[in-house]
Amino acid sequence: QVHLVQSGAEVKKPGASVKISCKASEYTFTNYYIHWVRQAPGHGLEWMGIINPTGGSTTYAQKFQGRVTMTRDTSTSTVYMEVSSLRSEDTAIFYCARDSRGFLDSWGQGTLVTVSS
Amino acid sequence: QSVLTQPPSVSGAPGQRVTISCTDSSSNIGAGYDVHWYQQLPGTAPKLLIFGNTNRPSGVPDRFSGSKSGTSASLAITGLQAEDEAVYYCQSYDNLLSGSRVFGGGTKLTVL
Repeated sequence: QVHLVQSGAEVKKPGASVKISCKASEYTFTNYYIHWVRQAPGHGLEWMGIINPTGGSTTYAQKFQGRVTMTRDTSTSTVYMEVSSLRSEDTAIFYCARDSRGFLDSWGQGTLVTVSS
Repeated sequence: QSVLTQPPSVSGAPGQRVTISCTDSSSNIGAGYDVHWYQQLPGTAPKLLIFGNTNRPSGVPDRFSGSKSGTSASLAITGLQAEDEAVYYCQSYDNLLSGSRVFGGGTKLTVL
């Protein structure tokens, strides 16, 4: 059974950065891309970007380009997402999810990031 | 970014059938890209419900079915049950940005 376990909740001040982790297990890490999805309180799902764990190549949604960086560590089967220049609108739950032929077949439990002064 | 449009809400009584539409404004679905559906129960992470327009992952009841025609797709739920109350999202490939994906805005299903 695929497992994606994310790091815990974070509280950050406006202008700061946050780095969230997503540790994969029970499958071959380098065989599947990983997505990141944002969900603001009371809102829908917003696709942020995708990373190829094999070579580390990324594609970011235009809205997040320049402010989001996705990386991976193949030695620990972990994907990271850093969001910089945080603002109050970034208060959200961030999910990682595994890609399987274009759809997201397994999801992490989510990481709540609260941006507040 | 492309847009997939869903109705904000639908409702039905237990045992009834409801459908949720997903309409494409940027020729993603119409260009032949697959549509996938997710169910998000309150306070939980989304869960894959339908993939490749019509396919159910193991464990998803056959009360849930998906279809696609032209520039839109639909999710049908028959024999509504109280535990089906959730938000449902469609998702497809975004042909405006290579490699990217797009979600619909979500539809809240209320079981009356």
